[in-house]
Amino acid sequence: AQTVTQSQPEMSVQEAETVTLSCTYDTSESDYYLFWYKQPPSRQMILVIRQEAYKQQNATENRFSVNFQKAAKSFSLKISDSQLGDAAMYFCAQTTDSWGKFQFGAGTQVVVTP
Amino acid sequence: GAVVSQHPSWVICKSGTSVKIECRSLDFQATTMFWYRQFPKQSLMLMATSNEGSKATYEQGVEKDKFLINHASLTLSTLTVTSAHPEDSSFYICSAQGQGHQPQHFGDGTRLSIL
Repeated sequence: AQTVTQSQPEMSVQEAETVTLSCTYDTSESDYYLFWYKQPPSRQMILVIRQEAYKQQNATENRFSVNFQKAAKSFSLKISDSQLGDAAMYFCAQTTDSWGKFQFGAGTQVVVTP
Repeated sequence: GAVVSQHPSWVICKSGTSVKIECRSLDFQATTMFWYRQFPKQSLMLMATSNEGSKATYEQGVEKDKFLINHASLTLSTLTVTSAHPEDSSFYICSAQGQGHQPQHFGDGTRLSIL
């Protein structure tokens, strides 16, 4: 069985600062994929970043980057130069099927203060 | 980019009625669609996976007779909540995936309120 754990219900960050969201996962599969999704108040699910477990290099998308520690089963998200528009719920997710059947974590609410 | 339309966005109905939610892929063929349920301030829980032309596969604990899923075409899947009751009130989100290892694209969700 797969599990995804996000232990931070809420994180607060000032504009232009950096915040790191933690995520740990558990799987018995050797092939899997990890994701971070953003859900703003509109509740639309927006893909932030995707990481293939077989790739050692950490994925990066502009101000968003991950720290993927495979042995520790850790997949944290760093948001640099935080902007007001980054305020949202962030979900960590895992799948063994490239893009299918996600197992989501409980989510972390990011609050950005001016 | 790929667009998934979900309709209605918000529905309020009386207890005991059935409600149908549609999920359409507008510019691609969705061989697989997923239905999720999200309670306030909680995560998305996968309810079922449907492949076009096949019966849906339900997750453990999801009543298949309560939540009827149909995926009759490559662009449309429907979720029908039968004999809805207040405890069925929730936010329902669909996602659609094209053939092969294609990304999942999410709809904007449907807020269902049962009075």
